[in-house]
Amino acid sequence: GESVGLHLPTLSVQEGDNSIINCAYSNSASDYFIWYKQESGKGPQFIIDIRSNMDKRQGQRVTVLLNKTVKHLSLQIAATQPGDSAVYFCAERANTGNQFYFGTGTSLTVIP
Amino acid sequence: SQTIHQWPATLVQPVGSPLSLECTVEGTSNPNLYWYRQAAGRGLQLLFYSVGIGQISSEVPQNLSASRPQDRQFILSSKKLLLSDSGFYLCAWGGGFNIQYFGAGTRLSVL
Repeated sequence: GESVGLHLPTLSVQEGDNSIINCAYSNSASDYFIWYKQESGKGPQFIIDIRSNMDKRQGQRVTVLLNKTVKHLSLQIAATQPGDSAVYFCAERANTGNQFYFGTGTSLTVIP
Repeated sequence: SQTIHQWPATLVQPVGSPLSLECTVEGTSNPNLYWYRQAAGRGLQLLFYSVGIGQISSEVPQNLSASRPQDRQFILSSKKLLLSDSGFYLCAWGGGFNIQYFGAGTRLSVL
């Protein structure tokens, strides 16, 4: 199977600061990536996605960066708010099938 | 709009008992459907996915099975639960190749 991992299992940031969550993937054939947010006891919620033909994509307060050379993905959250506290997962899809593979997640805690 | 329903929310079952978790999707047709399991503090492990009625692909050998009797219905089953089957089970649907919608999950405790 695929191997998707995260550099840091936990991250604490001060409210108002920017957050950066990193993710490494192993399959160079992966063509599509998604970041999810999961609050306690709930299913993951889609945040933002990026295709392999892009390096950067921006949403509302979030930016995803893709570095295919080193197979690295990051999620940047601007002006982090207490409501951003959750576990964040990256997921990759290999261009050979319908499966997505998820990393173990990073737990983000926002300190008021 | 599309919605996904998953039930029950929590379930406590004895070892050796059967299992049936149901997932239904509304507002879309011919979706790709997925079952994931999430252990405490861990990521999501893909168990099964289906691209159409009666079509099931299994990712890992296990004590579970899946069925898709209707286009928008996906069922996760077991004949005899093991302690190791405890976890948080999530159903998801994707249009085309994009997973964007997860159900609320079922927390299964096997005792």
